Amino acid sequence: AQSVTQLGSHVSVSEGALVLLRCNYSSSVPPYLFWYVQYPNQGLQLLLKYTSAATLVKGINGFEAEFKKSETSFHLTKPSAHMSDAAEYFCAVSERAGKLIFGQGTELSVKP
Amino acid sequence: EPEVTQTPSHQVTQMGQEVILRCVPISNHLYFYWYRQILGQKVEFLVSFYNNEISEKSEIFDDQFSVERPDGSNFTLKIRSTKLEDSAMYFCASRDSLGYTFGSGTRLTVV
Repeated sequence: AQSVTQLGSHVSVSEGALVLLRCNYSSSVPPYLFWYVQYPNQGLQLLLKYTSAATLVKGINGFEAEFKKSETSFHLTKPSAHMSDAAEYFCAVSERAGKLIFGQGTELSVKP
Repeated sequence: EPEVTQTPSHQVTQMGQEVILRCVPISNHLYFYWYRQILGQKVEFLVSFYNNEISEKSEIFDDQFSVERPDGSNFTLKIRSTKLEDSAMYFCASRDSLGYTFGSGTRLTVV
């Protein structure tokens, strides 16, 4: 069965600092992996996705994630945090592009 | 850019009442989904729909829930007799080979 674990329900960084949001997955078949961002009272916006092409995936707003099969991880990074990055971030997995299974979410706070 | 449209954005209903949440998926997408997010919790899969029938449903999707694609464009989620614990944000999504697109959600409050 698929599952996603996001380590850290809340991450706080200073503006300009590295952002690292952790995601580990479990899947019985090669997974498709996704990161979504949710701003307060809004819907889910796709940041990036991995679908078995390049293991380093670049997304919108300067975010990227690296698929590491040996570690079953798909951590999200951004070199320099901006105040506008403050939001909730969800990692998700799907098998064969079926339903998405989401992690618990990580709330990112950015301090000035 | 094509969007998934959900209406209403907010709905307040009395416990025991029926509600219908509406979604207009992207026109050339073939796979449709409903997800739920209780306040402060993760997004949970409810049901997937393909070729005019349910392809998969979760344990949450019990007999009080139903989905329909009544006219080839709308995709609806009906909750027959709402309970307090049905209060949540409900997201519709549609998918093609390139990926999923989510609507902005309907916030349902059961009082």
